[in-house]
Amino acid sequence: EVQLVESGGGLVKPGGSLRLSCAASIFSISDYRMNWVRQAPGKGLEWVSSISRTSSYIYYADSVKGRVTISRDNAKNSLYLQMNSLRDEDTAVYYCARTGFGLARGVIQYYFDYWGQGTLVTVSS
Amino acid sequence: EIVLTQSPGTLSLSPGERATLSCRASQSVSSSYLVWYQQKPGQAPRLLIYGASSRATGIPDRFSGSGSGTDFTLTVSRLEPEDFAVYYCQHYGTSPPNSFGQGTKLEIK
Repeated sequence: EVQLVESGGGLVKPGGSLRLSCAASIFSISDYRMNWVRQAPGKGLEWVSSISRTSSYIYYADSVKGRVTISRDNAKNSLYLQMNSLRDEDTAVYYCARTGFGLARGVIQYYFDYWGQGTLVTVSS
Repeated sequence: EIVLTQSPGTLSLSPGERATLSCRASQSVSSSYLVWYQQKPGQAPRLLIYGASSRATGIPDRFSGSGSGTDFTLTVSRLEPEDFAVYYCQHYGTSPPNSFGQGTKLEIK
């Protein structure tokens, strides 16, 4: 079965840095747009960043723009999120998610079809 | 940026009852880009519905989605004990941001 496994989370002080990784198995990430989504404790889902198959198109949420960098290594079948200048409000479980697609009513439709189990990032002094 | 507002915040129902969850967009969106997810405590979200009304693989037919324009609905026809969870809608357009609603918690009455 398709698997996404995140790693790299942990406790970091405000202003610190962390690099998250997401290793995929069973499928090749080179065929898919990939994403990071986060969830603060007790809160809802927040989309963080997306990267196209060949890294040509990269998008960030305004809340993290300028502080995080998404990247991918298709040869290693892995996705990354470099997080710098971390703030208290970045504390969250970070999920990687695959963009799947389907065809319905003649239109290609997109969604997050597979998610990892998440890795917890805690920013605290 | 499209803002999605879900209602109610919490819905208290009993197994066997019908659940109706709402997702309202701040501007008209294509139904092709409206997605629903289910999340249980300690788990990652699970894809339920895409394109507003198409069930994802393996999702029981008691789950259905409908709507267009700015108003979308997720209906669970007869609640099973495993259906009590938090539900999120998402607008997944041709380019990000891929905004989520704030969620509706479906709890056992």
